[in-house]
Amino acid sequence: DAGITQSPRYKITETGRQVTLMCHQTWSHSYMFWYRQDLGHGLRLIYYSAAADITDKGEVPDGYVVSRSKTENFPLTLESATRSQTSVYFCASSDAGLAYEQYFGPGTRLTVT
Amino acid sequence: KQEVTQIPAALSVPEGENLVLNCSFTDSAIYNLQWFRQDPGKGLTSLLLIQSSQREQTSGRLNASLDKSSGRSTLYIAASQPGDSATYLCVEGGGFKTIFGAGTRLFVKA
Repeated sequence: DAGITQSPRYKITETGRQVTLMCHQTWSHSYMFWYRQDLGHGLRLIYYSAAADITDKGEVPDGYVVSRSKTENFPLTLESATRSQTSVYFCASSDAGLAYEQYFGPGTRLTVT
Repeated sequence: KQEVTQIPAALSVPEGENLVLNCSFTDSAIYNLQWFRQDPGKGLTSLLLIQSSQREQTSGRLNASLDKSSGRSTLYIAASQPGDSATYLCVEGGGFKTIFGAGTRLFVKA
């Protein structure tokens, strides 16, 4: 199916564990983004990527690592999960340019115990 | 610090009523303004995108306006329906400039 997908949809992990959230889009959009959504903070940008092998930090990048070896995939890794990283994570993509519409994935609900 | 503020935070209206959701932003040099809908436990669905060179966009019962000089955008929903119940997010910019409002939670009573 065309679109943007995230996996897993739900994840429970323990403090200190490494966990990777996957994001895949079928539109060949050049831009991809990771956000986290928390009560009281709304959505905040973690990292974004303008193209394969080009990534940059957003508002809240600490504790996260991203890579983008292929245009369609943009995984987000928590190298050593902390309770403060319990959140809902959204991946998004958009076509070239900052003015273009963003399309969001369904989200991954991550709980760190 | 650039911010996006949405008022009201929550709104309850009877079915059939016309309503306006408000969004204000502090960055006068925005690239675009986008309105999203989010249903509980779900992702975000794009409703309308207004480029910085545009004044308004319309889709069905929805109309969004943009006034850069005053730093305001409004989302007008005509003839509201219970299916419109959701959280509506106003988003400024795009890409690394993306700033989200906290949302307006709308409940339309049948």
